[in-house]
Amino acid sequence: QKEVEQDPGPLSVPEGAIVSLNCTYSNSAFQYFMWYRQYSRKGPELLMYTYSSGNKEDGRFTAQVDKSSKYISLFIRDSQPSDSATYLCAMLPPDQGAQKLVFGQGTRLTINP
Amino acid sequence: GAGVSQSPSNKVTEKGKDVELRCDPISGHTALYWYRQSLGQGLEFLIYFQGNSAPDKSGLPSDRFSAERTGGSVSTLTIQRTQQEDSAVYLCASTKGPSTDTQYFGPGTRLTVL
Repeated sequence: QKEVEQDPGPLSVPEGAIVSLNCTYSNSAFQYFMWYRQYSRKGPELLMYTYSSGNKEDGRFTAQVDKSSKYISLFIRDSQPSDSATYLCAMLPPDQGAQKLVFGQGTRLTINP
Repeated sequence: GAGVSQSPSNKVTEKGKDVELRCDPISGHTALYWYRQSLGQGLEFLIYFQGNSAPDKSGLPSDRFSAERTGGSVSTLTIQRTQQEDSAVYLCASTKGPSTDTQYFGPGTRLTVL
């Protein structure tokens, strides 16, 4: 069993819809939770970063962490065609020194105009 | 340059050949990471360099894989006697320091082993 599980999709929704992307994990030591966005033929770029449990909002994006359930989510409101990309969750235990991120498989998202 | 650069962008090789992949991190970034992204898989950590410290090689899948970082800047990932299962996108990332700084990724090298 992988430490981080993420449905690879593909997920296709109409423009303007609310998108929900999720990951589950098994290592309770994870403290830092991130979402990366990766466009085709590009490297991942950091989208959201959350420490421990709670919610974080940035424009149309909201990241949620539920450590009791070992479950994290990324919500995209008013989705746009430019949001079409692969979204990767990533996690990190505390005080590791090196940032050896543990990634989910990635969910491929398409927003249809 | 403004970001992390990698070369070549694509590499096709025959099984059994050696390949070298290059990464130029953001200027001034002391930490450098290599990851592998296989089809249908998330990114897998391979190796980590921080300053002049000994690299963390804990993610290298076999002794056919090695990496070096010269002068605390450019890094080269070498795969000897390539196998078909080595086909993947190899991504490099750098950060300002070793702690929880943002990792900036390059565009990757797409390796195909025939």
